[in-house]
Amino acid sequence: GESVGLHLPTLSVQEGDNSIINCAYSNSASDYFIWYKQESGKGPQFIIDIRSNMDKRQGQRVTVLLNKTVKHLSLQIAATQPGDSAVYFCAEGQGQGAQKLVFGQGTRLTINP
Amino acid sequence: DAGVTQSPTHLIKTRGQQVTLRCSPKSGHDTVSWYQQALGQGPQFIFQYYEEEERQRGNFPDRFSGHQFPNYSSELNVNALLLGDSALYLCASSFRGTGVYEQYFGPGTRLTVT
Repeated sequence: GESVGLHLPTLSVQEGDNSIINCAYSNSASDYFIWYKQESGKGPQFIIDIRSNMDKRQGQRVTVLLNKTVKHLSLQIAATQPGDSAVYFCAEGQGQGAQKLVFGQGTRLTINP
Repeated sequence: DAGVTQSPTHLIKTRGQQVTLRCSPKSGHDTVSWYQQALGQGPQFIFQYYEEEERQRGNFPDRFSGHQFPNYSSELNVNALLLGDSALYLCASSFRGTGVYEQYFGPGTRLTVT
C-alpha cells in the first residue's frame, strides 16, 4: 500500500541528549525519503532527505538512516536543544520525480530542561 | 529571497460555499503542490501543477480543483464545502530539473467550515 507510519506518536528527551525518531514505510519501490519538522502554526520545514541508493546521510546535527531490508527510516538529532521541539514527519516520495509526498502521522518531540 | 507565501492566513466559510486559496512559490521554483493537513495528521497530497497543468493528483474528489498561472503562482479551489474540509491547506513549491526535487512548504491557510 501507500502508507508511511511512525512507531511512536510522542518522544520526550532531556536537553543535550540525542533523539532518535523512527519511521516504517510500506512501499519497497520508493527511492526517496524526507524528514520534515513542523512547529506549531507553521508549515513543514525540510530537514534532510535520502535516496534509496544510500543508507546514511548526515547534515548539521542530524543524521538519517535508511534500512531498505526492513523498510525502516530513522532521524537522529544530536545534542537536542529546546528549539528542536516540534512534530517530525517522515515522508516518502512517489510518482514522477518523487513529487507526491506521502506523510506519516508524525512524532511530537518534547525537550525537557 | 521570499519563501513560499500563501493567502489568506485564516478563512471561515459555511457549508456549501466555495473557497479559493492562493500560493506564490519560492523564487526560482516552477512547480506547485497542494496538501491538506487535518488536525493531528500528516499532510495529504491533493495535486501538483507544472507548466500550468495538473500533473499528479491524490485521492481527492473533483470538488477540489486548481490552477497555475504563467508566473508559477497557483490557486486551490474547493466547491460545495463540507465540514470535513476544515483543515490546514499547505502549498509546497519545487524546481523541476533532473532527479528528485526538494519541496519547500508555505505557512498554510487554516480553513474552517461551519
